Amino acid sequence: AQSVTQPDIHITVSEGASLELRCNYSYGATPYLFWYVQSPGQGLQLLLKYFSGDTLVQGIKGFEAEFKRSQSSFNLRKPSVHWSDAAEYFCAVKFSGFQKLVFGTGTRLLVSP
Amino acid sequence: DAGITQSPRHKVTETGTPVTLRCHQTENHRYMYWYRQDPGHGLRLIHYSYGVKDTDKGEVSDGYSVSRSKTEDFLLTLESATSSQTSVYFCAIMRNPGTGGSANYGYTFGSGTRLTVV
Repeated sequence: AQSVTQPDIHITVSEGASLELRCNYSYGATPYLFWYVQSPGQGLQLLLKYFSGDTLVQGIKGFEAEFKRSQSSFNLRKPSVHWSDAAEYFCAVKFSGFQKLVFGTGTRLLVSP
Repeated sequence: DAGITQSPRHKVTETGTPVTLRCHQTENHRYMYWYRQDPGHGLRLIHYSYGVKDTDKGEVSDGYSVSRSKTEDFLLTLESATSSQTSVYFCAIMRNPGTGGSANYGYTFGSGTRLTVV
């Protein structure tokens, strides 16, 4: 079955520290991969996406993500977190042969002073 | 954002009443989706459409129906609302690559409808 796993429900990071949010997916062929961010009470904003080519992709707000085929992972990273990065982050996958987006359950990021 | 409008933005309704949510797009995209968002579950697909009068079920379709009589409108109906359908509902469109290639491809979401069933 198609599934997307974000194993961390909550993560707390000190401001200025680095961040890595994990995402793993099931199923076979290389899918299309997305990271979205959602601030409280707001809609979804696309941070970055991966379709093919260079496995390290750059996004908005200083975020990047790396696709690792052998691990079926697409982890999101940021070298230095800002207080404004506190939000919920969703990994989403479009599996090959399907036109729908499957979401992980999300990771809520808290940023401590 | 990106020509997607959801209405209403907020609604409170009573158990057992029918409710219809509307998603309107201005860019003529073929694929449209309805998701619900609940704490601990992320976004889950309710129904989607791949053209006028062409729809299919998602993973949480029980209690919901959809209709698409025009390319620009995708309606979600709760036939008899229950408290378990209290949620935030998001509409989305899929952008095909088109002439801009993969840079244009992706999914764009509406601002959401917060529905409370009392």
